[in-house]
Amino acid sequence: EVQLVQSGAEVKKPGESLKISCKGSGFTFTSSWIAWVRQMPGKGLEWMGSFFPGDSDTRYGPSFQGQVTLSADKSLNTAYLEWSSLKASDTAVYYCGKWVAGSVDYWGQGTLVTVSS
Amino acid sequence: QSALTQPASVSGSPGQSITISCAGTSNDVGAYNYVSWYQQHPGKAPVLMIYDVTNRPSGVSNRFSGSTSGNTASLTISGLQAEDEADYYCGSYTNWRTYVFGTGTKVTVL
Repeated sequence: EVQLVQSGAEVKKPGESLKISCKGSGFTFTSSWIAWVRQMPGKGLEWMGSFFPGDSDTRYGPSFQGQVTLSADKSLNTAYLEWSSLKASDTAVYYCGKWVAGSVDYWGQGTLVTVSS
Repeated sequence: QSALTQPASVSGSPGQSITISCAGTSNDVGAYNYVSWYQQHPGKAPVLMIYDVTNRPSGVSNRFSGSTSGNTASLTISGLQAEDEADYYCGSYTNWRTYVFGTGTKVTVL
């Protein structure tokens, strides 16, 4: 059974750094793209980018290039989404998903990130 | 790369059929047979309902069907049921080897 389990909710202050995680199981992690999707409060889904753990190939959505960093630890079957300096506008639920070209076929449960002074 | 355009809301009575449109461009919806549809209930993660334009994952009701015409994709829900009330998003692979979601449609069952 394919599962993606994300790390827990975070509360941070503006300017702080953060790395959230997504652990995959039930599929070949190094042969699968992991996508990250943002959902701001009351808003729609936004594709942030995707990471291929097998060769570290990375693709970013145009609004997220330079704003976040995607990575993974193959030995842990875990993907990461990282910010170096959070802003209040980063407050959102972040989902990871297993991404095949045409779709995100499995989703994590989501991680709520709250950035507030 | 702009979000695909969906109607903000669509409604129907139980048993009726509704169709949600998803307008893209020749750089996304019109370029590949890689259009998908997702259902999201409040407070829950999205669920894949249709992939590669017309295919249903195992376990998804055959009341859900997808199609495309040119740069526009469509999701049809037939025999509308109360449990179908949710937000629906389309998504498409793009010419830039990235992915884009639609703006989302709230489906209300009257």
